[in-house]
Amino acid sequence: QVNLLQSGAALVKPGASVKLSCKASGYTFTDYYIHWVKQSHGKSLEWIGYINPNSGYTNYNEKFKSKATLTVDKSTNTAYMELSRLTSEDSATYYCTRGPYWFAYWGQGTLVTVSS
Amino acid sequence: DTVLTQSPALAVSPGERVTISCRASESVSTGMHWYQQKPGQQPKLLIYGASNLESGVPARFSGSGSGTDFTLTIDPVEADDTATYFCQQSWNDPTFGSGTKLEIK
Repeated sequence: QVNLLQSGAALVKPGASVKLSCKASGYTFTDYYIHWVKQSHGKSLEWIGYINPNSGYTNYNEKFKSKATLTVDKSTNTAYMELSRLTSEDSATYYCTRGPYWFAYWGQGTLVTVSS
Repeated sequence: DTVLTQSPALAVSPGERVTISCRASESVSTGMHWYQQKPGQQPKLLIYGASNLESGVPARFSGSGSGTDFTLTIDPVEADDTATYFCQQSWNDPTFGSGTKLEIK
């Protein structure tokens, strides 16, 4: 069965960076894009971008181009998202999800809290 | 960006039929998908490609529409359907609607 297992909650200081992980299992990792989605508390969902695990090609929402960096490690079937120069606006739950067009499989989410 | 507009909230009684609408700012053909999200959980795919029922989702859920106007229908509604429902388009870079919070009275 398809599973996306995300890293645990993170408490980070303003101005710092954080790297989230999403380990895929139950399918061929390189066959499907991995997308990342942000959900601020009680609010809607924002698409951050996707990565093609086979080629490493990425496509970002313009809003997150200078905020997020997507990478993969094919040897461990793991996708990563690094968020940089964190502010309180980045406090949210971040999900990885399997594409390419609709999202049938989601990770459990990683809560990122930015606080000094 | 393609903006998706949803009504913010609905309240219905068990056994009734409810329709949740989503309007796109431009045509997305049938590239519209629907999700259910309960508090503390990740979104769950209900409908893909505007009208295709995801495997394992009860047949009480259905979707329709094309172009700019789409509808998710739940008939009959059950108490467990209390949740927020999001639409998402994939015709352009993905965007989500703001969500419709469904309350079962």
